[in-house]
Amino acid sequence: KQEVTQIPAALSVPEGENLVLNCSFTDSAIYNLQWFRQDPGKGLTSLLLIQSSQREQTSGRLNASLDKSSGRSTLYIAASQPGDSATYLCAVRGMDSSYKLIFGSGTRLLVRP
Amino acid sequence: EAQVTQNPRYLITVTGKKLTVTCSQNMNHEYMSWYRQDPGLGLRQIYYSMNVEVTDKGDVPEGYKVSRKEKRNFPLILESPSPNQTSLYFCASSLSRLYEQYFGPGTRLTVT
Repeated sequence: KQEVTQIPAALSVPEGENLVLNCSFTDSAIYNLQWFRQDPGKGLTSLLLIQSSQREQTSGRLNASLDKSSGRSTLYIAASQPGDSATYLCAVRGMDSSYKLIFGSGTRLLVRP
Repeated sequence: EAQVTQNPRYLITVTGKKLTVTCSQNMNHEYMSWYRQDPGLGLRQIYYSMNVEVTDKGDVPEGYKVSRKEKRNFPLILESPSPNQTSLYFCASSLSRLYEQYFGPGTRLTVT
């Protein structure tokens, strides 16, 4: 059974710092991995999607990498800003017929001004 | 604007009173899904639909029903809500397995 773990559970950094969020999964048989952002009481905003055949994806200050064989993904945020404060979730899509995403529990990020 | 919409956004109801949460997408996506989010349990899939008239159970389907009569709509039905269905509900859609899932804004349901 696929399990997704995110470490750390919470992170507090000063503005301007570069930071890395980690995501690990137990079953490497995945179609893709998606990173989301969730603001308190709000929906999920898709940040990046990495297909299983890809190594990384970039969008602005965000860079996500995928090492499928080791079951790990990282989300790199460059030059963090207070507006980046949110919970970041990673989710993997497995090979079963449901197409469902299996989510990690998230990393709660606070960027201090 | 491409989006997934849900209504209502907030709902407080009593045990046993049937309710429906609507979900609609304007992206012509074939795949739609419902998730619930609970503290300590994360997001879990309730039901999903591959296309019109094709639905199947997810991980936590008990107490829920769905229907897919049109491609754009995928309502979630609680025939007899109970307090353990108090949760934050999200609808999602995707073009296919290979494409990203888009999520609606969420419906916060409280059952007393």
